[in-house]
Amino acid sequence: ETGVTQSPTHLIKTRGQQVTLRCSSQSGHNTVSWYQQALGQGPQFIFQYYREEENGRGNFPPRFSGLQFPNYSSELNVNALELDDSALYLCASRSGTGMNTEAFFGQGTRLTVV
Amino acid sequence: AQTVTQSQPEMSVQEAETVTLSCTYDTSENNYYLFWYKQPPSRQMILVIRQEAYKQQNATENRFSVNFQKAAKSFSLKISDSQLGDTAMYFCARETSGSRLTFGEGTQLTVNP
Repeated sequence: ETGVTQSPTHLIKTRGQQVTLRCSSQSGHNTVSWYQQALGQGPQFIFQYYREEENGRGNFPPRFSGLQFPNYSSELNVNALELDDSALYLCASRSGTGMNTEAFFGQGTRLTVV
Repeated sequence: AQTVTQSQPEMSVQEAETVTLSCTYDTSENNYYLFWYKQPPSRQMILVIRQEAYKQQNATENRFSVNFQKAAKSFSLKISDSQLGDTAMYFCARETSGSRLTFGEGTQLTVNP
């Protein structure tokens, strides 16, 4: 157990709908990153939040957005869902943004878009 | 694009034997970290071992060790005395400034009894 929890664990949505995924970071961690892992592929970086501000973004369209709250938990929102958004969404928390800090991953949310 | 490549989609090994997983990467940065993560069916990404690029010495964690060849941009993982619990998907990853991880496509390792 890493102390990083994600909810829900599974979710089925219809194309065009909106979805919110949640991540509770490990105690003391102020940085949360989100990754999308399509079936059979490695995770891809979506964005990162540090102290409630986005401080890095991967190659994802604006309909992928996020928030980080004062307790450093985070949300990933996806609007206008497409079939290709079906994937495992992983969040990882760490203390700070330096490379010498370890990222701890949650167990992910499996999103299926039909 | 700065990429991480794992050329072995699947590998298998007999219990108690040694197996090596390959990884090559590309980066223009001087300072970076390299990782091997394990993802069992539970889906949680677990850190196996990490290597700081400026360190010459190869990292070792119990049965896991790496062969880091900086000039060749190669970072292989050796698992000694393989155990059934080592069966999982293994991902090589690179981290540069900004603390974002770039992952390879993964290698499915199966340890056979």
